[in-house]
Amino acid sequence: EIVLTQSPGTLSLSPGERATLSCRASQSVSNSYLTWYQQKPGQAPRLLIYDASSRATGIPDRFSGSGSGTDFTLTISRLEPEDFAVYYCQQYGSSPQTFGQGTKVEIK
Amino acid sequence: EGQLVVSGGGLVQPGGSLRLSCAASGFTFSSYWMNWVRQAPGKGLEWVANIKPDGREKKYVDSVKGRFTISRDNAKSSLYLQMNSLRAEDTAVYYCARDRGWFDPWGQGTLVTVSS
Repeated sequence: EIVLTQSPGTLSLSPGERATLSCRASQSVSNSYLTWYQQKPGQAPRLLIYDASSRATGIPDRFSGSGSGTDFTLTISRLEPEDFAVYYCQQYGSSPQTFGQGTKVEIK
Repeated sequence: EGQLVVSGGGLVQPGGSLRLSCAASGFTFSSYWMNWVRQAPGKGLEWVANIKPDGREKKYVDSVKGRFTISRDNAKSSLYLQMNSLRAEDTAVYYCARDRGWFDPWGQGTLVTVSS
């Protein structure tokens, strides 16, 4: 089973700042089959990025994903107030699909 | 793009049973693998089980094997999770999600609380 480790655990930033979230896999993720979700309190996760770098429908272009192999990154270019949330990565290149433990982006 | 509505959660005693339902609309349900994912209070996401479009292949996380059963009714565009021998550690919000490799959409979730 591939273990995904997200860092940092918490990111304290101000609106307008750039956020860089990391997701590191214990072994290579096949075909860069990695996705990012955003979750706000009391809500279901929301798909942001799939296949490591493809934005889901309706996702603003301030969200971007990159990476391959074992190292992946979610970048939010300029934080908006609605972006403060928890972000999870998930790999689906190997069975079982697995999730990272999450990174909380909080207002500084 | 589709919608999923989850129902069936509630409070149950340890050792008890509960059946969750997930009603799909807006997409061809019978064409997709479907998943259950749970989230314990204050914790991260944990994949629980998935099922092939024709229902003939099912996979489970080790911690629920032999206790939980995933099933589907394509005629009703519905997914189910039968949970038996429930334990305190099964307490979580349970989500269903369509599998495209990535999960999208997700149902709104239903809270299952296992407590005496």
